[in-house]
Amino acid sequence: DVVMTQSPLSLPVTLGQPASISCRSSQSLLHSDGYSYLNWFHQRPGQSPRRLIYKVSNRDSGVPDRFSGSGSGTDFTLKISRVEAEDVGIYYCMQGAQWPPTFGQGTKVEIK
Amino acid sequence: EVQLVESGGGLVQPGGSLRLSCAASGFTFSAHWMNWVRQGPGKGLVWVSSIRSDGGDTRYADSVKGRFAISRDNAKNTLYLQMNSLGVEDTAVYYCTSNVNDWNAYWGQGTLVTVSS
Repeated sequence: DVVMTQSPLSLPVTLGQPASISCRSSQSLLHSDGYSYLNWFHQRPGQSPRRLIYKVSNRDSGVPDRFSGSGSGTDFTLKISRVEAEDVGIYYCMQGAQWPPTFGQGTKVEIK
Repeated sequence: EVQLVESGGGLVQPGGSLRLSCAASGFTFSAHWMNWVRQGPGKGLVWVSSIRSDGGDTRYADSVKGRFAISRDNAKNTLYLQMNSLGVEDTAVYYCTSNVNDWNAYWGQGTLVTVSS
């Protein structure tokens, strides 16, 4: 199975400041169709997860443009340009390039 | 608006069975792969099972293979998960998700399964 490793696991952030989460995969996520299947999800306390980013860098509808995804191969990053209070929660990366799909451990973002 | 509404969770004894359902609306259910993802208490997200749009291909995590069965009724826009031989390790919130334009685009509210004597 592809192992997804996120860092850091805990990220205290200051409102208005940028934040960055790393996600590394144990194998390349480049599929034979040319796409890299790396998604990012956000889960607020007590809520269901919500997808933010798909195929590395595509924002889902309604996702603020302060969120951006980048990366290739085995190394990926989620960036928040200016953290807002509603951004607290746990962020997960997930690969769908190979069966079985696997998630990272999660990164807990909290306000300092 | 896309809606996924899970039901069927509850308290069950070890070795027991449950059948989860997920009613879908707001998108063309019959055109997309569907999945079950679970989250144990205080834990992260874990993929459980997937089924192709026509039901002709099903996949399972090793931890549930042989015990769980995923199915769908495209006429009823409903996804199912039959869970047998449940163990305490299966205690989790189970989410129904849809692969609309890539994996896990939409999530239901989840249904809690508690396996305990």
